[in-house]
Amino acid sequence: GQQLNQSPQSMFIQEGEDVSMNCTSSSIFNTWLWYKQDPGEGPVLLIALYKAGELTSNGRLTAQFGITRKDSFLNISASIPSDVGIYFCAGPHMEYGNKLVFGAGTILRVKS
Amino acid sequence: DAGVTQSPTHLIKTRGQHVTLRCSPISGHKSVSWYQQVLGQGPQFIFQYYEKEERGRGNFPDRFSARQFPNYSSELNVNALLLGDSALYLCASSWGSARETQYFGPGTRLLVL
Repeated sequence: GQQLNQSPQSMFIQEGEDVSMNCTSSSIFNTWLWYKQDPGEGPVLLIALYKAGELTSNGRLTAQFGITRKDSFLNISASIPSDVGIYFCAGPHMEYGNKLVFGAGTILRVKS
Repeated sequence: DAGVTQSPTHLIKTRGQHVTLRCSPISGHKSVSWYQQVLGQGPQFIFQYYEKEERGRGNFPDRFSARQFPNYSSELNVNALLLGDSALYLCASSWGSARETQYFGPGTRLLVL
């Protein structure tokens, strides 16, 4: 089953609004990754976080590695229609030989 | 440069049949990982191969097997298909087997009837 819990499950927001989503786990992760998946495509890496407390930006996207190492947050500023998609958090989990485990995703829908 | 390619794009099988899915990694990448993504969920790790050797296996039954060829391409085989095997099967490649960024292909959508 999924090791990572993402919330919200889905969001329907107005174009131009800021978006926040998060990912939590009962286990400690040493790396947090945020992916976006468009329909008919594989996931694409947006941001990688490697250090507790780290705050990293990629254009309108900003992600933070929680200081407890059990959570991470992704923010999208001034959303646009092409932000539509499914956002996944992921991390290498020690129980699986450091192979990636993914959350169930947050579905983002934008009203234009 | 071409990204990760997978074939076929779509496949329909019936219960009990066998299926082979193929993946070609990005040129220069030596590691291939396979994931299963059931509708409404995130990808779940199945296998990782590096330099033709299995480097990791997820919690999947022995009906699932894979191999990597000298050119680093890979095949995922699933025997005795069940309805629950219906999913998007994703292949990801990376240069090495550790912390390197994994690049995903578009996936093969398998429907088992």
